[in-house]
Amino acid sequence: DIQMTQSPSSLSASVGDRVTITCRASQTISSYLNWYQQKAGKAPKLLIYAASRLQSGVPSRFTGSGSGTHFTLTIDSLQPEDFATYYCQQSYRTLWTFGQGSKVEI
Amino acid sequence: QVQLVESGGGVVQPGGSLRLSCTTSGFTFSTYGMHWVRQAPGKGLEWVALIWFDGSVQYYADSVEGRFTVSRDNSKKTLYLQVNSLRVEDTAVYYCARDARGDVYDTMDVWGQGTTVTVSS
Repeated sequence: DIQMTQSPSSLSASVGDRVTITCRASQTISSYLNWYQQKAGKAPKLLIYAASRLQSGVPSRFTGSGSGTHFTLTIDSLQPEDFATYYCQQSYRTLWTFGQGSKVEI
Repeated sequence: QVQLVESGGGVVQPGGSLRLSCTTSGFTFSTYGMHWVRQAPGKGLEWVALIWFDGSVQYYADSVEGRFTVSRDNSKKTLYLQVNSLRVEDTAVYYCARDARGDVYDTMDVWGQGTTVTVSS
C-alpha cells in the first residue's frame, strides 16, 4: 500500500496567518492527491483534488501544489472557520490511503 | 441538492453483523462509483471499500477484506455495506462518499454525515 505522511501533526496559528501543511507519499502518485477538511463531529469536506484543483465553493485562500511524492496545502490569511483537521489522500492506487491528519488549532 | 444519508449503525457484540445503508438523492446514482470510509474514535480517516457505478467491481481495504461486502441497488439509489465477523477495532463512524473521477483525478466529492458502529461485549 502507498503510505501518506503529513507534517506537522498539529500546529497553532492565529487568524490572518499563512499556514502550510505537507504531505509525502511513499511512492510516486502523479497528481492523484486530494485534500479534505474535517471539523469536530462533522463529515470530511473536499477542498482540493488533483493536487491543485479547487473544489467548487471552496474559498480561494486554499491552494494545493505538488506532484510525484511531495505535496502542500497552503491556507492564506487563516479565518476562524478554518480551524479544523486536514487530511491528504491518494487515489493513484485503488487501495486508497489517507495521511494521519494535521490539526490546525488556535 | 445532492444528499447522502447513512443508517443502520448500532451496538453489536464481537463476531456480530450489521448492514449499513446509504440512501442518496439529488444526482444520478447509477452513474457514480461509491465509497465507504470509516473513522475510529479520536483517530484519522480510513478508506474501507469502493464499488463501481454498476456494481460489477468492488475493492476493499486489507483490514476488512473477507468480512465486509459492499453492494448497491441502483433502482433504490442506495448503497450498502454488510459488515460481518465484527471486531472491537471496527468500532467507528462509517461514512459513504460519492466517487468523482476525470482524466487526471479521482476523488470523493460528496459525503454523508455518518452512522456509528460500536462493537462491544
